[in-house]
Amino acid sequence: RKEVEQDPGPFNVPEGATVAFNCTYSNSASQSFFWYRQDCRKEPKLLMSVYSSGNEDGRFTAQLNRASQYISLLIRDSKLSDSATYLCVVNHPADSNYQLIWGAGTKLIIKP
Amino acid sequence: NAGVTQTPKFQVLKTGQSMTLQCAQDMNHNSMYWYRQDPGMGLRLIYYSASEGTTDKGEVPNGYNVSRLNKREFSLRLESAAPSQTSVYFCASNHFITEAFFGQGTRLTVV
Repeated sequence: RKEVEQDPGPFNVPEGATVAFNCTYSNSASQSFFWYRQDCRKEPKLLMSVYSSGNEDGRFTAQLNRASQYISLLIRDSKLSDSATYLCVVNHPADSNYQLIWGAGTKLIIKP
Repeated sequence: NAGVTQTPKFQVLKTGQSMTLQCAQDMNHNSMYWYRQDPGMGLRLIYYSASEGTTDKGEVPNGYNVSRLNKREFSLRLESAAPSQTSVYFCASNHFITEAFFGQGTRLTVV
C-alpha cells in the first residue's frame, strides 16, 4: 500500500460543476497536509494547507479527517483554468526530522 | 523573493557525459529535496537532505549523487548520463512541517 494515495484520474467535468478529490495517508503520526496544483511540466505550487478544522479559500475547500486518515479538496463552480493535476502531500516524522510524502496526483480536465 | 533557484533550466547531454544540477534556497529551510518527474507520472524522490551535512536516498537514487554544500545549496550530479535519466528534475525545500517550495525545474534530455 502506498503511503499517500489519491483518486486515480483523470476527472473530466463540465465547467461550473463541483468536483471533489480524496487522498488517504497511512502514517497516523503525520503532522501537516497540503494540496498542490501542477500545470503541465511546471513546478507544483501550493494551493492550500489543510487544517483539522477545515479551511476555505474562495471556491476551494479543504478538509482533514485524522480519525479516518484522509484529506479532501472540493472545487466549486469549476473554471476552465482549474484544469491541472492536483497533488496531495503529507508531512510525517522520519528519524529526527520530517519528510514529505507525495501522492501521484489526480488530473482534472474542465470542459466548456 | 528568489525562493528556490535551479540551474540550468534546460540541458541536453550525450550518453556518458556528466553534469551537476544546482539548487539554492534563500528561506533558511532545513530540508531540501531532489525529484524527477517523467511524462504522465508523479514526483519521485531521488535524494533528500534533512539538514546541512546529511543526505538520504529516496525512491530512485541509482545513477545520482548529491551534495549538501551548506544550508542554502543542494546539488545533484549525474556521473554518467543515460537516456533513462531523461526527465524533468525539481528541487524543493521546506522547514520541518511547513509547505514545500519548488524551483522551476530542469528539463534534461540524454541522447
